[in-house]
Amino acid sequence: TQLLEQSPQFLSIQEGENLTVYCNSSSVFSSLQWYRQEPGEGPVLLVTVVTGGEVKKLKRLTFQFGDARKDSSLHITAAQPGDTGLYLCAGGSLVAGGTSYGKLTFGQGTILTVHP
Amino acid sequence: KAGVTQTPRYLIKTRGQQVTLSCSPISGHRSVSWYQQTPGQGLQFLFEYFSETQRNKGNFPGRFSGRQFSNSRSEMNVSTLELGDSALYLCASSSPGLAGSTSTDTQYFGPGTRLTVL
Repeated sequence: TQLLEQSPQFLSIQEGENLTVYCNSSSVFSSLQWYRQEPGEGPVLLVTVVTGGEVKKLKRLTFQFGDARKDSSLHITAAQPGDTGLYLCAGGSLVAGGTSYGKLTFGQGTILTVHP
Repeated sequence: KAGVTQTPRYLIKTRGQQVTLSCSPISGHRSVSWYQQTPGQGLQFLFEYFSETQRNKGNFPGRFSGRQFSNSRSEMNVSTLELGDSALYLCASSSPGLAGSTSTDTQYFGPGTRLTVL
């Protein structure tokens, strides 16, 4: 069974601060996706990383996929109140043929609150 | 492109009843996955359909079933509802690459159906 450990579970910070969310596993994933979810809504895709060591930047957000494709991190620079939400990492499983057959394994999520 | 749509958005049922939820994927996407989200368990995979065939299934009882139509729209059904089935049910669509490729299988989620079982 593949598991993704996400930390921290809760983050409460002031506007302008930096933060990092971690996603770790003992399993190798074919891809790693990060989502943000608002209450009562579905997760919205932020980024997908597929190559070990890959770094992607999306404005103030920086995503990194570990060299061994077992871990990932999300770093937010100068957080803003609009960044508040539930952040989820999700890994695609390695199944025969290299496709995950629709199954993403999710971390438990990080609830981020950015105070003005 | 229109996103993933789910109907209904909210449902209230009583124990023992059954329920059918509907999902329309992004145009051109042939894979539809279903997830259950609860505060205690987070997001858990239910099953995935591709070209009207169930290719993958999570660890849920047989009361949870699904199907996919030729236009890629999908439905999931829960029979004999229990209180513990109260959750946000999410569907996601993707456009998988060829088997053997390094497809990312990026999934795009709908807004979900909030099911409350009384």
